[in-house]
Amino acid sequence: GESVGLHLPTLSVQEGDNSIINCAYSNSASDYFIWYKQESGKGPQFIIDIRSNMDKRQGQRVTVLLNKTVKHLSLQIAATQPGDSAVYFCAERSPGGNTPLVFGKGTRLSVIA
Amino acid sequence: EPEVTQTPSHQVTQMGQEVILRCVPISNHLYFYWYRQILGQKVEFLVSFYNNEISEKSEIFDDQFSVERPDGSNFTLKIRSTKLEDSAMYFCASSEPGRGTTQYFGPGTRLLVL
Repeated sequence: GESVGLHLPTLSVQEGDNSIINCAYSNSASDYFIWYKQESGKGPQFIIDIRSNMDKRQGQRVTVLLNKTVKHLSLQIAATQPGDSAVYFCAERSPGGNTPLVFGKGTRLSVIA
Repeated sequence: EPEVTQTPSHQVTQMGQEVILRCVPISNHLYFYWYRQILGQKVEFLVSFYNNEISEKSEIFDDQFSVERPDGSNFTLKIRSTKLEDSAMYFCASSEPGRGTTQYFGPGTRLLVL
């Protein structure tokens, strides 16, 4: 965690509330968008992804929304738990298959018990 | 659940020394990647590898860097002559064929160059 924490935007939420983490992406040609969670001392952990031809996708307690008009991606976490505290990164991928991920800066989510 | 593993977890080296960072990707994955994260900054792509050759590399991945798959399970990143600015977390990732989006990351190696 300390490797990514110095100057990140921070979102603090009460346990049980919903969290919304936002991301602006840069490449209008990107065809996949992914959210990763990074806990202290660990590598990025895949949460959920969405294709560019979709505008919403739901997982377990998480929803990703994609607005291609304004190049905006959001991650909604329902009923936030202390274990959700981490840094969250959005990433985009150019078309072509197995292309590199381009990561955003990250947002630190702190859950207040 | 299968996971990407990396060794060592921490590496301290003197400037100018060579380091080798090791990764064991998920066993049925065919695409391998190295990323790095300098303290306080974003995760940055270094190189991707498929079918025993480099697929793509970033401008960071200069002649001081090399990758190798020495056997059927390991994937290594070598930095020939480390610089102070190479200090970072280095993450290995792998993905299945045809599902490049879902890149699974290892826990990282923290490299400190003195």
